Amino acid sequence: SQKIEQNSEALNIQEGKTATLTCNYTNYSPAYLQWYRQDPGRGPVFLLLIRENEKEKRKERLKVTFDTTLKQSLFHITASQPADSATYLCALEGAGNMLTFGGGTRLMVKP
Amino acid sequence: KAGVTQTPRYLIKTRGQQVTLSCSPISGHRSVSWYQQTPGQGLQFLFEYFSETQRNKGNFPGRFSGRQFSNSRSEMNVSTLELGDSALYLCASRIGGTGELFFGEGSRLTVL
Repeated sequence: SQKIEQNSEALNIQEGKTATLTCNYTNYSPAYLQWYRQDPGRGPVFLLLIRENEKEKRKERLKVTFDTTLKQSLFHITASQPADSATYLCALEGAGNMLTFGGGTRLMVKP
Repeated sequence: KAGVTQTPRYLIKTRGQQVTLSCSPISGHRSVSWYQQTPGQGLQFLFEYFSETQRNKGNFPGRFSGRQFSNSRSEMNVSTLELGDSALYLCASRIGGTGELFFGEGSRLTVL
């Protein structure tokens, strides 16, 4: 069956460091992968989309990599700030363009 | 440009009742998706509508239904509510049938 796995344990890092979050998937052949940010009690907010033929994508302090051989995406936040504290979700588009989300990883950036 | 609007934001129902949630997508967006979010299960896909047709359906019982109107606004209905239906119901829209989703703030349903 199709699975999207994100580390369910919270990631705690110090302000200024780089946060790296992982998204692994099985039994998918996604055309692209997306990352979202969700704050408590709010809807997810789109951050980045990376296509299967792209190895890396950047937006300001954010960087996403996509390895279709390893079936893995890494999401990096450089020079992290306490305001980056949130839950980060990865999502893959499967059959019928249906977007399925991973369980999310909570990031805590301490000042 | 206004974002995705969901109403009501909060509601409390009792077991056995039914509920209807409403979603107004971003102007020009033709696709509307619904998700259920609970602490234990995360974001679970309910269904997606595109130009008034249900395009995809998640693994939920028939008590969960939805529809989309010609102006792209969407409603979802849950009948015979159960305690386990307590959740944040999120609606999201996108321009076409693929790409990034724009989420609303959700409707938080509590079933007593």
